[in-house]
Amino acid sequence: SQTIHQWPATLVQPVGSPLSLECTVEGTSNPNLYWYRQAAGRGLQLLFYSVGIGQISSEVPQNLSASRPQDRQFILSSKKLLLSDSGFYLCAWSARGARGNTIYFGEGSWLTVV
Amino acid sequence: GEDVEQSLFLSVREGDSSVINCTYTDSSSTYLYWYKQEPGAGLQLLTYIFSNMDMKQDQRLTVLLNKKDKHLSLRIADTQTGDSAIYFCAESGGGADGLTFGKGTHLIIQP
Repeated sequence: SQTIHQWPATLVQPVGSPLSLECTVEGTSNPNLYWYRQAAGRGLQLLFYSVGIGQISSEVPQNLSASRPQDRQFILSSKKLLLSDSGFYLCAWSARGARGNTIYFGEGSWLTVV
Repeated sequence: GEDVEQSLFLSVREGDSSVINCTYTDSSSTYLYWYKQEPGAGLQLLTYIFSNMDMKQDQRLTVLLNKKDKHLSLRIADTQTGDSAIYFCAESGGGADGLTFGKGTHLIIQP
């Protein structure tokens, strides 16, 4: 069966510091990969998605970036965090070519920028 | 662009039925989803319905789809305290750019 892991689960970082959140998927090949952010009271915002190694699409301009160095690894980064980057970050995957594009989520990473 | 709307809160008594409603704008949606998020956790896929169906039942869950009105609902029968969570409606046009989510409905269970 497929599983998705993301870490760290909780992170408190000062303004201006770098960020790296990692996500890996097991039990499937060539998945579509996603990073979402959930800010309080604002629902889910798609930040990045990837259909293959090195292929990243950005949905929202911001000081975050994403990379996909391996087929089942997705990394969310920032060089300098802002207070507004605080939130709950969710990695997710879907099966390539599947009808409907059902998405499966990781457990999330809480980021507090202080 | 696509938009998915749902009420922010719903309060029901334990043992009653809960009905969470959702409207969407993208007429090309092929699948519509309900996800459940418990406090501090990720989203768990509850159920989904294909756009050529108008009803799907799975144990205590019933999904109704009115494609003409672009209205989706989730009914939870015999609501229990463990059903307390945020419920997200989402739609997919089938592309790789993921789903469009509503802001979520907080289901509050009264004893």
